[in-house]
Amino acid sequence: SAVISQKPSRDICQRGTSLTIQCQVDSQVTMMFWYRQQPGQSLTLIATANQGSEATYESGFVIDKFPISRPNLTFSTLTVSNMSPEDSSIYLCSVGGQGGTEAFFGQGTRLTVV
Amino acid sequence: GNSVTQMEGPVTLSEEAFLTINCTYTATGYPSLFWYVQYPGEGLQLLLKATKADDKGSNKGFEATYRKETTSFHLEKGSVQVSDSAVYFCALSDPGSGYALNFGKGTSLLVTP
Repeated sequence: SAVISQKPSRDICQRGTSLTIQCQVDSQVTMMFWYRQQPGQSLTLIATANQGSEATYESGFVIDKFPISRPNLTFSTLTVSNMSPEDSSIYLCSVGGQGGTEAFFGQGTRLTVV
Repeated sequence: GNSVTQMEGPVTLSEEAFLTINCTYTATGYPSLFWYVQYPGEGLQLLLKATKADDKGSNKGFEATYRKETTSFHLEKGSVQVSDSAVYFCALSDPGSGYALNFGKGTSLLVTP
């Protein structure tokens, strides 16, 4: 199993600013995943972050808007840049899921952009 | 590409009623299938899983069988409780996609006393 600490748990931000979300795992993992959950919607994968290489972004998500760092095997950050109200969502980091195993999720960061 | 389709909610049931939440999937490979649950105010957690055809996942009275012929993974429970009120997500994990999860849109379940 894995325990994921994600912070902040929530924030209210002004449009045009940036927010960095941190994700700390209690064990070393190769892959970390960042998801977005818009209000009333399902989870959408933003990117996959591997340590030592650039993150791989899904269609519709770009590095300039959502830069990701992965400095070691237990930590990652996601930045939401130049925010607009449309970025208001819950952002989650996740590990695991390889080979049909259980994936673990952080508690999420509830972001509101005003 | 991979996708998951699950029935629209919200679903409202009386306590002890039978529950079915339909889930079908499209995948290019041989995915693993999951049901995740999100209780009010809590994080997402695994409810059950199945990793190959004909496998049955079960937990807390919930069951789902991996049906390759119908590409389905329907969630069932014989007698729901108020405490089962939550949002249920069907998901798949495919080696071809690096094991990130593809989620359905979620089905909100409300069980009334």
